Amino acid sequence: DQQVKQNSPSLSVQEGRISILNCDYTNSMFDYFLWYKKYPAEGPTFLISISSIKDKNEDGRFTVFLNKSAKHLSLHIVPSQPGDSAVYFCAASGSDKLIFGTGTRLQVFP
Amino acid sequence: DTGVSQNPRHKITKRGQNVTFRCDPISEHNRLYWYRQTLGQGPEFLTYFQNEAQLEKSRLLSDRFSAERPKGSFSTLEIQRTEQGDSAMYLCASSTRRYEQYFGPGTRLTVT
Repeated sequence: DQQVKQNSPSLSVQEGRISILNCDYTNSMFDYFLWYKKYPAEGPTFLISISSIKDKNEDGRFTVFLNKSAKHLSLHIVPSQPGDSAVYFCAASGSDKLIFGTGTRLQVFP
Repeated sequence: DTGVSQNPRHKITKRGQNVTFRCDPISEHNRLYWYRQTLGQGPEFLTYFQNEAQLEKSRLLSDRFSAERPKGSFSTLEIQRTEQGDSAMYLCASSTRRYEQYFGPGTRLTVT
């Protein structure tokens, strides 16, 4: 039973354009959502989070949108840069642990 | 560097051997978590400490796995009688709140 799903295993975007990564969840008890970025041979790095009482949170080039009725969240990266190329995980929390999706590999090309 | 540190970074062991990993959290973080990540999957929760108390354990944590956090500082994760299915990246994270967990670089375990 996968409670957090990232249905796109990969995404390729041109430098300077917008990258949109999507995530769906099934458990309505989740009250906090996070995005992590992971480079090979490193641990996940926290990017941005959003509480379930909000529908948008912005931090520099990164914006997370939450649609509770659709149980869907997305991460927008504008403008995309080559250094953004990594695997992105969304995660949800309703207790002390995080539930992760399977990740989306983002490649930003020149 | 004040981030989460994990040692060793890589461990190769033969099936049936015991292994122990160490995690040093960010100094002011009272919460410490262990996760396991296999290829193509996201991290999966194993166990959680608040200070020295182990408050939750996943069903993934079989009897061969044991974790400790003496004095609420560093933590160790031991796997006894390793099996090939234990091969994975073992991640440690710490936090002051239950979300926004900060991860270490992980220990990659290979069981041959």
